[in-house]
Amino acid sequence: AQKVTQAQTEISVVEKEDVTLDCVYETRDTTYYLFWYKQPPSGELVFLIRRNSFDEQNEISGRYSWNFQKSTSSFNFTITASQVVDSAVYFCALSAAETGANNLFFGTGTRLTVIP
Amino acid sequence: DVKVTQSSRYLVKRTGEKVFLECVQDMDHENMFWYRQDPGLGLRLIYFSYDVKMKEKGDIPEGYSVSREKKERFSLILESASTNQTSMYLCASSLSGRYNEQFFGPGTRLTVL
Repeated sequence: AQKVTQAQTEISVVEKEDVTLDCVYETRDTTYYLFWYKQPPSGELVFLIRRNSFDEQNEISGRYSWNFQKSTSSFNFTITASQVVDSAVYFCALSAAETGANNLFFGTGTRLTVIP
Repeated sequence: DVKVTQSSRYLVKRTGEKVFLECVQDMDHENMFWYRQDPGLGLRLIYFSYDVKMKEKGDIPEGYSVSREKKERFSLILESASTNQTSMYLCASSLSGRYNEQFFGPGTRLTVL
């Protein structure tokens, strides 16, 4: 069965520190997609990235980077030089045939607080 | 710009009331979803719809029903609200096809007294 584990419930960092949010997933499917979403205090989830299971290249977008490792079933998210505006709840999600390929299965989220 | 709107940001209802949560998207998306979000549990799928008048149960459909009479609108109905349905409700939409990202509305925080 599918599973997405975000073991870090809450993280606090001081502004300008780097921080990594962990995501470990389980699925029986060989084709699947992984996602990251950000939920700021306003409440609306904002899509950050989608990565398919056949593309293990790391991705960088500004201060954000993602490390996908199939060998450890992990899709970790790093924020470099964190800023107060990065404070939010971050969700990792999985889409696979066993979840219903139109559907997303979410982890429980990690609340990141960036202290000025 | 992609837009999903929900009828209310905050709602307070009494036990036993019938509650309607409305969601509208302007992106011509085929798929629409209703989730509830609770602390420590993340987002859990209640119902989803692939097309007008079509609906599928998600992981926690008990106590809820849905309606999709028009492509852009997806309603969540609590037939008889109970206190354990106090939660944040999030609507989302996506294009048809597999593995697409979903776009979310701002959420409705429902309190049932």
